Amino acid sequence: AQRVTQPEKLLSVFKGAPVELKCNYSYSGSPELFWYVQYSRQRLQLLLRHISRESIKGFTADLNKGETSFHLKKPFAQEEDSAMYYCALRPRYGGSQGNLIFGKGTKLSVKP
Amino acid sequence: DAGITQSPRHKVTETGTPVTLRCHQTENHRYMYWYRQDPGHGLRLIHYSYGVKDTDKGEVSDGYSVSRSKTEDFLLTLESATSSQTSVYFCAISEPVGTGVNEQFFGPGTRLTVL
Repeated sequence: AQRVTQPEKLLSVFKGAPVELKCNYSYSGSPELFWYVQYSRQRLQLLLRHISRESIKGFTADLNKGETSFHLKKPFAQEEDSAMYYCALRPRYGGSQGNLIFGKGTKLSVKP
Repeated sequence: DAGITQSPRHKVTETGTPVTLRCHQTENHRYMYWYRQDPGHGLRLIHYSYGVKDTDKGEVSDGYSVSRSKTEDFLLTLESATSSQTSVYFCAISEPVGTGVNEQFFGPGTRLTVL
């Protein structure tokens, strides 16, 4: 079964501390993986996609196929990073093309 | 923000009443989606559309129906609202896989309360 697991509902860190939001997936093929962010009462927006291997707002994420993980990292958290973060998987093949499978989300709280 | 709007943005209704939520896009994207967002559940797909009059069920489709008569509009209907359908509903759009546009763009959400 295709599944995305975000084990932490809430992650609380102090400003300047490193952050790692965990994401593990279950998929038999080669998926596309994304991180979406939702700031308070705003719409979801794409933060990262594994294909582009980019760094956005200081965040990076590496796809580890051996561990089936796509953890989101930032070396120094800022207060404005406080938000809800969702990891999502999109199967590359199959009838439901384009559909995303979301994890349950991790709420990041960065304290001053 | 991508050209996606949702209406209404907030609605309070009573159990047993019909409710229709509208998603409107100006991006001419082929795919449209309806999700619900609930604490502890994240986002779950209700229905999606891969073209005009082409729709399919998602993970949590029971109690919901959809229609897409035009590219730009995707309607979500709760035929007889129940309290378990109290949620925040998000619409999203995308282009088909393989077009080089991998991202789903989301609307601002509709907060629905069923009393």
